[in-house]
Amino acid sequence: SSELTQDPAVSVALGQTIRITCRGDSLRNSYASWYRQKPGQAPVVVMSGKNNRPAGIPDRFSGSNSGDTASLTVTAAQAEDEGDYYCCSRDNSGSHVYVFGSGTTVTVL
Amino acid sequence: EVQLVESGGALVQPGGSLRLSCAASGFSFSKYWMNWVRQAPGKGLEWVANIKEDGSERYYMDSVKGRFTISRDNANESVYLQINSLRVEDTAVYYCAREPSMSYYDRSGHYMDYWFDPWGPGTLVTVSS
Repeated sequence: SSELTQDPAVSVALGQTIRITCRGDSLRNSYASWYRQKPGQAPVVVMSGKNNRPAGIPDRFSGSNSGDTASLTVTAAQAEDEGDYYCCSRDNSGSHVYVFGSGTTVTVL
Repeated sequence: EVQLVESGGALVQPGGSLRLSCAASGFSFSKYWMNWVRQAPGKGLEWVANIKEDGSERYYMDSVKGRFTISRDNANESVYLQINSLRVEDTAVYYCAREPSMSYYDRSGHYMDYWFDPWGPGTLVTVSS
C-alpha cells in the first residue's frame, strides 16, 4: 500500500514562513489535499489540488507539487496557524482508496 | 449549514460489534461520495472506507476488509459503518467526511481535485476488556 511521509514537527517564529512537505509515490499520479487539526477538534481542509484554497482560508496559504512531493507553504505565520497538518492523496492502486500522511505538528513561536 | 454528525460510538469488548451512523444535512447528500476516517488516541489520521454516491462502489483500507462494512441511505441522508470483530487497535475517534470533487483544465491538461469537507465532530469507539 502507498505511504505518505511528513516531517514530524516544524517550528517557526511569528511572521516567518511555514513549509510542510509530503512525500510519496502516489503523489506522482494524484494531487494532495491538506488538513489542519487543532487539539480536540475535527480536521479542516486548508488546500487541495494544484493550489486550490477553500473559502475562509487566507491567501497566506499556498500549495505546490513536484514529482513525488507536495508542499504546503504558509507565509507570515500567525499563532492561529498552529496545529497538526496532514496531507492526503489517492493511493497508487488506481481505485478510490486514500492514504493520509503521518502528520506535521506546527508550532509558531 | 452543511453539517455531519456521527453517533454510535461506545465501549465494547474485543470481538464485539458496533454500528456507527453519520447524519448529513444542508447539502444534496446523494451527490457525494462519503468517507470514514479514524484517529487513534494521540495518533494521526487514518482513512478507513468510502462509498459512492449511489452505493454501487465501496472501498476499504486493507486492515479492515472483511470486518467493516460501509453503507448509506440516501433517503435518510445517512452513512453507516458496521464494525465487526472489533480489536483493541480499532480504538479511535471515527469521523465521517463528505468528499467534494472538481474538474479543472489548465495548460497541463485536465485534472481532478478531491478533498474532504466538512468533517463531523467524530464519535469515540473504545475496544477494551
